Amino acid sequence: DAGVTQSPTHLIKTRGQQVTLRCSPKSGHDTVSWYQQALGQGPQFIFQYYEEEERQRGNFPDRFSGHQFPNYSSELNVNALLLGDSALYLCASSFGGRDEQFFGPGTRLTVL
Amino acid sequence: AQSVTQLDSHVSVSEGTPVLLRCNYSSSYSPSLFWYVQHPNKGLQLLLKYTSAATLVKGINGFEAEFKKSETSFHLTKPSAHMSDAAEYFCVVSPTGGGNKLTFGTGTQLKVEL
Repeated sequence: DAGVTQSPTHLIKTRGQQVTLRCSPKSGHDTVSWYQQALGQGPQFIFQYYEEEERQRGNFPDRFSGHQFPNYSSELNVNALLLGDSALYLCASSFGGRDEQFFGPGTRLTVL
Repeated sequence: AQSVTQLDSHVSVSEGTPVLLRCNYSSSYSPSLFWYVQHPNKGLQLLLKYTSAATLVKGINGFEAEFKKSETSFHLTKPSAHMSDAAEYFCVVSPTGGGNKLTFGTGTQLKVEL
């Protein structure tokens, strides 16, 4: 049974560019949440998707957007990248918002 | 609103001695509380969770935590530390159910020495 998977593992971009990160949830899970973890900090909630809609959103600007597909996989898009967007981006999945969240290994984004 | 405060950013213990990682929470409703562990260059792994059942929660790898409502605390303990326990530990709060937005503490780096 595959756990949560994320791609790519690492990514290097320059300021102003756009990036797309991908996540496949654990088998049987239908809810995907995204978190940003800056170096030396705890993860910060970006948003959560359920039934292909954004259900909750944290304190992140509109440059951060997402999508959930019918197979429950999800994408995180970040436009107009800033140096401060450099972080580990974590995807977590759960079932119906009623259980604990399982995390993927993350995507390390570096913005130069 | 909900928040957690991890009282120690770094904890150092000797192998075989007890571990205590402290966490206080603030929540306007009955919360779910979790401890997650993050080893270097790895994702987050759930150690244990409290969801309004027994106040003493047992987790994986010999860890346990006690929910104390009167003290708004959820400290993580282990009787005997092992070298493999060296990692970053996060205390996390969520609305009851846990599948919603998780609010993380700033983390406690545990160092285990020989």
